Amino acid sequence: DAGVIQSPRHEVTEMGQEVTLRCKPISGHNSLFWYRQTMMRGLELLIYFNNNVPIDDSGMPEDRFSAKMPNASFSTLKIQPSEPRDSAVYFCASSSDTEAFFGQGTRLTVV
Amino acid sequence: QKEVEQDPGPLSVPEGAIVSLNCTYSNSAFQYFMWYRQYSRKGPELLMYTYSSGNKEDGRFTAQVDKSSKYISLFIRDSQPSDSATYLCAMSEYNFNKFYFGSGTKLNVKP
Repeated sequence: DAGVIQSPRHEVTEMGQEVTLRCKPISGHNSLFWYRQTMMRGLELLIYFNNNVPIDDSGMPEDRFSAKMPNASFSTLKIQPSEPRDSAVYFCASSSDTEAFFGQGTRLTVV
Repeated sequence: QKEVEQDPGPLSVPEGAIVSLNCTYSNSAFQYFMWYRQYSRKGPELLMYTYSSGNKEDGRFTAQVDKSSKYISLFIRDSQPSDSATYLCAMSEYNFNKFYFGSGTKLNVKP
């Protein structure tokens, strides 16, 4: 298995634009997590899904953020409209029942 | 108080030294404990995973969990420059549906 695949690896966008981050979890994993990492706040859980159903989205900063998991092999995290303070590395991770495996992340810069 | 506390470092040691990394936590319901290693501009990768209290050894790495003290440790023996990275502890409750991460300790092993 190629591991958790995220795209794009880097994204630079202007303030106010819509940004969509994509994730393909490891096949067979039933949980998927979206994290955001910054120097100031470390690794923060935004939302996680279990069997494609959102279980806890309490970490989503505000209504500008939304996440979907239409099937077991794909998830998106959307920011609309984006703001400079959203600049961070966004990680997707998937898990079967114990360990979580992370993707390489999407480095988002909002200017 | 944060769920998981971890000294951010940086921690600088000479090659060959024994390194001790630690985390404390407040939630007595945590049952699963993990250590992740993150190289610069990469996603976290799982190093060690332990369930409940006790020790686990894997090569030069030893993970210890003391649930009575709510304290976990990662020891690295014969540290190498390639061990230079940020080490994050993570933990989860019984059903492993949400991971709580420490802020990470940056380790630098000098040749």
